[in-house]
Amino acid sequence: AQSVAQPEDQVNVAEGNPLTVKCTYSVSGNPYLFWYVQYPNRGLQFLLKYITGDNLVKGSYGFEAEFNKSQTSFHLKKPSALVSDSALYFCAVRAEGFNDMRFGAGTRLTVKP
Amino acid sequence: GAGVSQSPRYKVAKRGQDVALRCDPISGHVSLFWYQQALGQGPEFLTYFQNEAQLDKSGLPSDRFFAERPEGSVSTLKIQRTQQEDSAVYLCASSYRGQGGTEAFFGQGTRLTVV
Repeated sequence: AQSVAQPEDQVNVAEGNPLTVKCTYSVSGNPYLFWYVQYPNRGLQFLLKYITGDNLVKGSYGFEAEFNKSQTSFHLKKPSALVSDSALYFCAVRAEGFNDMRFGAGTRLTVKP
Repeated sequence: GAGVSQSPRYKVAKRGQDVALRCDPISGHVSLFWYQQALGQGPEFLTYFQNEAQLDKSGLPSDRFFAERPEGSVSTLKIQRTQQEDSAVYLCASSYRGQGGTEAFFGQGTRLTVV
């Protein structure tokens, strides 16, 4: 079985401040982890992924995520938030040997000027 | 093409009507996925194709849902005798391979409203 939890429905930060969007996962075996962003009336856009290797992965638009195996977490981070980062963020996991990605319920990020 | 294309973008169906949703994946992508996204929720897996073979249909909610990809490219998701609970955004995604750490690229989705 594979599942993802995003414990926060909503995250609010001020522009220029660091942001964190949390994600925890549960899989049998090795996980492949993904972050996607969804803007209004748009499809999901891929941000970054963890496959293996360095626990800190860097992606699009200055986002990065840290894989923590002991805490089964894959939190999304950005050192300095922009108003344009305001969107819906989804964490997803695919277990090794499986086809489907399981998504979390999403976290709405609002960055205020 | 440049991205995954889905049509129509919006569909209103009367309860009991059949609908067909189309997905044009990125050229050359072997794997194709369908997801259902209810309002305020994350996408839920419906089915997976590798070329023309439907390898996983475990997420299809009932036998009213049917998907095909006859030539390994364009895919159609068909819903028969639509019900109000079928109202959702249907997302199609493709990737050059389906398993492992390969990311999927999503279309804009088809918003289905059953009235």
